[in-house]
Amino acid sequence: EDQVTQSPEALRLQEGESSSLNCSYTVSGLRGLFWYRQDPGKGPEFLFTLYSAGEEKEKERLKATLTKKESFLHITAPKPEDSATYLCAVQAPGGYNKLIFGAGTRLAVHP
Amino acid sequence: SAVISQKPSRDICQRGTSLTIQCQVDSQVTMMFWYRQQPGQSLTLIATANQGSEATYESGFVIDKFPISRPNLTFSTLTVSNMSPEDSSIYLCSVVSREAEFFGPGTRLTVL
Repeated sequence: EDQVTQSPEALRLQEGESSSLNCSYTVSGLRGLFWYRQDPGKGPEFLFTLYSAGEEKEKERLKATLTKKESFLHITAPKPEDSATYLCAVQAPGGYNKLIFGAGTRLAVHP
Repeated sequence: SAVISQKPSRDICQRGTSLTIQCQVDSQVTMMFWYRQQPGQSLTLIATANQGSEATYESGFVIDKFPISRPNLTFSTLTVSNMSPEDSSIYLCSVVSREAEFFGPGTRLTVL
C-alpha cells in the first residue's frame, strides 16, 4: 500500500538553529514528491516538486532533497515566520493526478 | 500558479442539513480535486472532478453524500449532504497547473 510518513510530528527550533524534516515513502513507481507549507486556517502553499533521486531544489532558507526512499526538507537559519506545518505528498502511479499526503511536521521557530 | 477562491470561507451548520461549497479558478483547468482535512489530520482526497463527466470518488466517499458539479473549466461545487458532526472538517479544492497542484484557501465547516 502506498504510504507517506513524516517525522518528527512536531519540531521546536530557536531562531537561526538549522534542522531537517524527513518524509519517507513507499510507493510503486514514484511520479513526483511534493512539499507544501500550511499556515493555520489556510490551504497548503506549494513549495517544491522533486521527480528523481539526487534532485535538489532551493527556495530562500529551504532546500528539498530526494533519495529513492525519502526526502528531506532542510531549513537553514530559520526565522519565526517559517513557523508552519510542512506537508509532504507523493504522486501515485495512475492515469490521473492523485496525491497521498503525510501527516505533516508542525514547526515552531522561537526568537 | 493558479489563483483559487472558495466560498464560503467558513460555516456552522445544523446536523441533517446540506452545504454547497464553491470553488473558482482564475484559469481553465481540466482536472479539479476536492479534499477533506479533519481536525489535526492531513489531507484526504474525496474526488476528482472533470468537466463534462461524472466525478471519480475515492474509496470511502460516495456521490450521495458528496455530490459534485463541474459545469465549466473554471468552476466546481462540492455539496456535503445530510451532515453530521463527523463531517466537521476543512474542505479544500485544488487544481493542477504546470505539474504542481495548487490549493484553495479552504472552507472550514462545523456541524452542530
